[in-house]
Amino acid sequence: DSGVTQTPKHLITATGQRVTLRCSPRSGDLSVYWYQQSLDQGLQFLIQYYNGEERAKGNILERFSAQQFPDLHSELNLSSLELGDSALYFCASSEIAGSGEETQYFGPGTRLLVL
Amino acid sequence: GQQVMQIPQYQHVQEGEDFTTYCNSSTTLSNIQWYKQRPGGHPVFLIQLVKSGEVKKQKRLTFQFGEAKKNSSLHITATQTTDVGTYFCAPDSGTYKYIFGTGTRLKVLA
Repeated sequence: DSGVTQTPKHLITATGQRVTLRCSPRSGDLSVYWYQQSLDQGLQFLIQYYNGEERAKGNILERFSAQQFPDLHSELNLSSLELGDSALYFCASSEIAGSGEETQYFGPGTRLLVL
Repeated sequence: GQQVMQIPQYQHVQEGEDFTTYCNSSTTLSNIQWYKQRPGGHPVFLIQLVKSGEVKKQKRLTFQFGEAKKNSSLHITATQTTDVGTYFCAPDSGTYKYIFGTGTRLKVLA
């Protein structure tokens, strides 16, 4: 158990819909990262937040957005869903940010299926 | 998006055989991390390498950072069924952070 929690574990929805994925980082971690992992694919970095502020952006689509709240939990919003958005979405957290040396602790992931 | 190649993509070994995966970058890296993801699981941090030529060991796992800091390897001696999973490198080039390698999927046959 990494200490990072993600809800829901599974999500099934239809194309065109909008969903929200939630992540609670490890106690004391200020940085949250979101990744997308498609079937048999690697990890694609989406976005990072540090203490409520956006810190780094990866290959995040305009239909996707995220935020980190004052209590440090984070939400990833996916809208106008397409079949290709079906994937495993991981959240990770780390204590610090910016150095590139931070160890990331991954949550169990949310498996999204778009029908 | 930006990708870092790992070779091989897949590797099947007999239990007891050795295994090596390589991570190659075209740019000099600040550091590199390695993660393991068990089937159906989430990535778990294994180790971080920072210095040129650095070698670190964790029991049967040996991690190496190239002298030019452009490549890294993970070697497992005498594989066990518990080693099954996908091994990812996560190099930091300074410009591109949080880029994970394409991964090497290891299967160990008992």
